[in-house]
Amino acid sequence: QSALTQPASVSGSPGQSITISCTGTSSDVGGYNYVSWYQQHPGKAPKLMIYEVSNRPSGVPDRFSGSKSGNTASLTISGLQAEDEADYYCSSYTSSSTVVFGGGTKLTVL
Amino acid sequence: EVQLVESGGGLVQPGGSLRLSCAASGFTFSSYEMNWVRQAPGKGLEWVSYISSSGSTIYYADSVKGRFTISRDNAKNSLYLQMNSLRAEDTAVYYCARLLPTMVFDIWGQGTMVTVSS
Repeated sequence: QSALTQPASVSGSPGQSITISCTGTSSDVGGYNYVSWYQQHPGKAPKLMIYEVSNRPSGVPDRFSGSKSGNTASLTISGLQAEDEADYYCSSYTSSSTVVFGGGTKLTVL
Repeated sequence: EVQLVESGGGLVQPGGSLRLSCAASGFTFSSYEMNWVRQAPGKGLEWVSYISSSGSTIYYADSVKGRFTISRDNAKNSLYLQMNSLRAEDTAVYYCARLLPTMVFDIWGQGTMVTVSS
């Protein structure tokens, strides 16, 4: 049950695009299209942003998009806005019938 | 309004026990799989435990296996986590979260803080 690998931090200026990677194995990210992304602001509960690799729940801006290639999933945020500054976590279903999270990435909007 | 509200957190000594509760409202609780997810101070999210809608299937993270017990009472729309033999490394905010068939945690509670310290 090792955590998925995410960069500790990424940054970008308003209006720019950033991408956060999430690397796992063939037993989790690579084996299933059950990758999700969550946004968490300080002191708040996580909020679902992307599910099943690339689907956005109702209410999530289309600036947020997801993709996957092999054992690595990615979250891209285009047209960065100040309110996007938060921690982002990926998660994946695993071959053990459990869910594993990434270590989290702190997004700073410069 | 769909809502999950955790309770039962607090300060406990190492080796002690605590029981967390999660009250669900606004949806048919008995139809959904439920989970506990925790977050140590300044750290990332860690999945802790899963229970199926009927309670017949249960999974635990290796870090809590043998010490924690998840359960639910569908008549009371409630989820529980019995935590025994607590350690300092169990200190965290504990969230209950609803899991969809697409392996998505779509609804989260506000969390309850558990501090294990002497």
